[in-house]
Amino acid sequence: SQKIEQNSEALNIQEGKTATLTCNYTNYSPAYLQWYRQDPGRGPVFLLLIRENEKEKRKERLKVTFDTTLKQSLFHITASQPADSATYLCALDNFNKFYFGSGTKLNVKP
Amino acid sequence: GAGVSQSPSNKVTEKGKDVELRCDPISGHTALYWYRQSLGQGLEFLIYFQGNSAPDKSGLPSDRFSAERTGGSVSTLTIQRTQQEDSAVYLCASSLMGQNDYGYTFGSGTRLTVV
Repeated sequence: SQKIEQNSEALNIQEGKTATLTCNYTNYSPAYLQWYRQDPGRGPVFLLLIRENEKEKRKERLKVTFDTTLKQSLFHITASQPADSATYLCALDNFNKFYFGSGTKLNVKP
Repeated sequence: GAGVSQSPSNKVTEKGKDVELRCDPISGHTALYWYRQSLGQGLEFLIYFQGNSAPDKSGLPSDRFSAERTGGSVSTLTIQRTQQEDSAVYLCASSLMGQNDYGYTFGSGTRLTVV
């Protein structure tokens, strides 16, 4: 069956460092992969989309990679700030809808 | 409107009662999605609409769940004879169909508690 896996353990890093979050999937061949940020009590907020034919996408301090051979996406936040603390979700398209991972909580300590 | 609006924000209901959850998407967004998020879990897909039709209802957990969308705008998710396992946050999102570059815009959700 199809699976999307994100590290359920929180990632704790120091302010100014680069945070790297991982999204692995099995039994999918997504054409698109998205990353979202979710704060407590709020709905997810769209950050970035990357296509299967794109290896890397950047937006300000964010960078996403997409390796269709490894079936993995990496999400990087450079020069992290305490305000980046949130849960980050990856989402893969499947016939006109996206399936979401359970997310990884990021804690950036000052 | 400026964003996706969901109501009520919180709903406590007794087991066995019916509930209706409402979603008002961004004006002009053709696609509308319902997801469910249990505590500490990811988003579970329920159903999506393209216009007023629902091409994919595969995520609805049982026949107690139904949804409709009228006028290509507001959608209602109805849960009949609620059970305790229905307790979760129900999230609605909208998008321009086929415009994946802009992602989904989510509402803040309805927190449903079945007691």
